[in-house]
Amino acid sequence: AQKITQTQPGMFVQEKEAVTLDCTYDTSDQSYGLFWYKQPSSGEMIFLIYQGSYDEQNATEGRYSLNFQKARKSANLVISASQLGDSAMYFCAMREGYNQGGKLIFGQGTELSVKP
Amino acid sequence: GAVVSQHPSRVICKSGTSVKIECRSLDFQATTMFWYRQFPKQSLMLMATSNEGSKATYEQGVEKDKFLINHASLTLSTLTVTSAHPEDSSFYICSARKQGKAAGELFFGEGSRLTVL
Repeated sequence: AQKITQTQPGMFVQEKEAVTLDCTYDTSDQSYGLFWYKQPSSGEMIFLIYQGSYDEQNATEGRYSLNFQKARKSANLVISASQLGDSAMYFCAMREGYNQGGKLIFGQGTELSVKP
Repeated sequence: GAVVSQHPSRVICKSGTSVKIECRSLDFQATTMFWYRQFPKQSLMLMATSNEGSKATYEQGVEKDKFLINHASLTLSTLTVTSAHPEDSSFYICSARKQGKAAGELFFGEGSRLTVL
């Protein structure tokens, strides 16, 4: 069964507008972490934002915010004021348990294209 | 921030040869490193967990004898693709765990693109 699901293979957004990238997850652990990474065409993985399962507030990092809805098991990424440089693949990932170290399970990814 | 470096970034080899990819943590010690494989436009699939001084833990379906992992020091893990075939052509990415905040625990290398002719 898929543990991390990203249902949007591709998304388009107009420059300067906001966009939401969907992510749902499945786990029976009470302690887990949710991550979003950006992967430009160069291939490097760029960490964007992190949300712990016990964090009560939604995580924010600059133009990135994570809409964490625990009951729905969703962790959507919101990018505000999109820029052309935001065009890339975006991956949602989960780390299960507290002692799993850095072992991450990734979603299928969403390819975001920002239009001028 | 912490830096993880992979080498080579690109490699082309003939079918049947072996290829070694290095993953180095440049400014921190990494007791655990992870190797991922990524096909074009697809997700990252975890291949194995590399632990310093012990055997790697492979994910289900990953051939241990095909993908040899060695983590001989706290700053270096190597992935050797033995007797490479065209189907092994892929993007291989390593990540290293750094102690600290959860968000800062994991750092990725730049990736290594392997093409087997």
